[in-house]
Amino acid sequence: DSGVTQTPKHLITATGQRVTLRCSPRSGDLSVYWYQQSLDQGLQFLIQYYNGEERAKGNILERFSAQQFPDLHSELNLSSLELGDSALYFCASSISQEPTYEQYFGPGTRLTVT
Amino acid sequence: GQNIDQPTEMTATEGAIVQINCTYQTSGFNGLFWYQQHAGEAPTFLSYNVLDGLEEKGRFSSFLSRSKGYSYLLLKELQMKDSASYLCATSGTYKYIFGTGTRLKVLA
Repeated sequence: DSGVTQTPKHLITATGQRVTLRCSPRSGDLSVYWYQQSLDQGLQFLIQYYNGEERAKGNILERFSAQQFPDLHSELNLSSLELGDSALYFCASSISQEPTYEQYFGPGTRLTVT
Repeated sequence: GQNIDQPTEMTATEGAIVQINCTYQTSGFNGLFWYQQHAGEAPTFLSYNVLDGLEEKGRFSSFLSRSKGYSYLLLKELQMKDSASYLCATSGTYKYIFGTGTRLKVLA
């Protein structure tokens, strides 16, 4: 158990809908990262937050947005969903904003868009 | 640009030694990570190299050559539970870049 929690574990929804994925980082960690992992692809970095502020953006679509709240939990919002958005979404946390520390990954949310 | 290459699949026998290679190109290099990921599960941290050389941790060792943009993960005394994907990742300015992973199958 990494100490990172993600909810829900599974999500099935239809095209065009909007969903929110939630992540609580490990106690003491201030950085939260969001990743997308599709079947044939590696982990694609989406976005990073550190202590409530956005720190870095990766390949995040405009239909996707995220935020980190004062209690440090984070939410990833996916809207106007398409079939290609079906993937495993991981949240990871780290103690620092610098990418020189190991990340602790949550169990992931499996999103299926039908 | 930033790019990571590692073999897609490897097969080895229980008890053997296997070396998984990773080559990378990245700007603002801050180190190289290896993660293990079992199918359908979260990645878990294995090692971190920021200086050239070999880091040993039990049955797993990781090597880095910054001048060559090259790393490898060495797994000794392979066990069936080592069957998993091994992800090479570089860290740059505020970002981690992950490779697509090497799927290792350990045969009895």
